[in-house]
Amino acid sequence: DVKVTQSSRYLVKRTGEKVFLECVQDMDHENMFWYRQDPGLGLRLIYFSYDVKMKEKGDIPEGYSVSREKKERFSLILESASTSQTSMYLCASSLPPGQENSPLHFGNGTRLTVT
Amino acid sequence: AQSVTQPDIHITVSEGASLELRCNYSYGATPYLFWYVQSPGQGLQLLLKYFSGDTLVQGIKGFEAEFKRSQSSFNLRKPSVHWSDAAEYFCAVGARGTYKYIFGTGTRLKVLA
Repeated sequence: DVKVTQSSRYLVKRTGEKVFLECVQDMDHENMFWYRQDPGLGLRLIYFSYDVKMKEKGDIPEGYSVSREKKERFSLILESASTSQTSMYLCASSLPPGQENSPLHFGNGTRLTVT
Repeated sequence: AQSVTQPDIHITVSEGASLELRCNYSYGATPYLFWYVQSPGQGLQLLLKYFSGDTLVQGIKGFEAEFKRSQSSFNLRKPSVHWSDAAEYFCAVGARGTYKYIFGTGTRLKVLA
């Protein structure tokens, strides 16, 4: 079974802090994703990465950056946290598109509160 | 524009009753289709997927879904709901050959004992 592990289940940070959310997958997947989930809005893609050191902006990248130095690890960075970034953050991984095993596999999420 | 619509925000059913959750999509080509389930405080778990072939797809936990191209729908069904099925359910569309997945806004299922 694919395991996607997010380092923190809950985080509380202050406005203006730099925040790191870490995600590790153990199935050698090429693709990794960061989503945020808000009630009534579903899941919105922040960034994704299709290879080490490669990244693409998703639908809502503003205020975020990412880092992928190793294939198994994908980090989401909030450069200066704001209250509007209070949300549930979900990391996911997958095989390349076009393959039948390419569904997203999700971690358990990190609930971030910015005060 | 590509989109996924789950018209029911909340659904309540009695334990043992049948269930159907609706999903409609708007997409220019034949998409990949998925249903995910999210229990409180957890990530999303894949229930089933459709890529091609038989339009009736079986998944885990006794769920099935039927792809109807003419109706642009991919509704999720279960013949007899268990209390443990109470969760939020998300329909998603994957674009063939790209990294893009589009999610619906979810349907929250409540199960009455």
